[in-house]
Amino acid sequence: AQSVTQLGSHVSVSEGALVLLRCNYSSSVPPYLFWYVQYPNQGLQLLLKYTSAATLVKGINGFEAEFKKSETSFHLTKPSAHMSDAAEYFCAVSETGGYQKVTFGIGTKLQVIP
Amino acid sequence: EADIYQTPRYLVIGTGKKITLECSQTMGHDKMYWYQQDPGMELHLIHYSYGVNSTEKGDLSSESTVSRIRTEHFPLTLESARPSHTSQYLCATWGMGYGYTFGSGTRLTVV
Repeated sequence: AQSVTQLGSHVSVSEGALVLLRCNYSSSVPPYLFWYVQYPNQGLQLLLKYTSAATLVKGINGFEAEFKKSETSFHLTKPSAHMSDAAEYFCAVSETGGYQKVTFGIGTKLQVIP
Repeated sequence: EADIYQTPRYLVIGTGKKITLECSQTMGHDKMYWYQQDPGMELHLIHYSYGVNSTEKGDLSSESTVSRIRTEHFPLTLESARPSHTSQYLCATWGMGYGYTFGSGTRLTVV
């Protein structure tokens, strides 16, 4: 069975500060991992995905995530927060490559303080 | 430009009414999905389709129904809306190399 835990339903950072959004997963097989972003009144947009290639994955808008098997983690980071990064971020896991079953976390709302 | 469209964006409707939420895509993807999203909750898969004339129920039990008569169209219907159906409904496609592409959602309020 697969599951995702996102620590912190709300995270606040100052503009220019490091963004760190935490995601831990549980999977019985090597997982596929995803981060999605949802802006207000919008659908989800793929930020980045891990599919068993490089453990450090770079995504759009300057975000990246590192797959750490020993910690079962896939934390999302960005060196310097912009106001435009304020949104909700969802971590997701799939054991089957993505299309058959994807489990989403509950989301983390990122607030960026000027 | 290839995309996925959901209409309406917002809908307020009375209890007992029949409603259909539209989802259309120009991605050419066979696999399509409906998710239900409530604030502070995980996204829950309620229906999916792997192609024309293929529909399956997802993990979360839902009183809604879906149809897939054409590749590009995957509407969701509620025969008799209730306040418990108030939620945001997200439609998505899945394609090799794309992963999931989500529509902008329909926010449904049943009064």
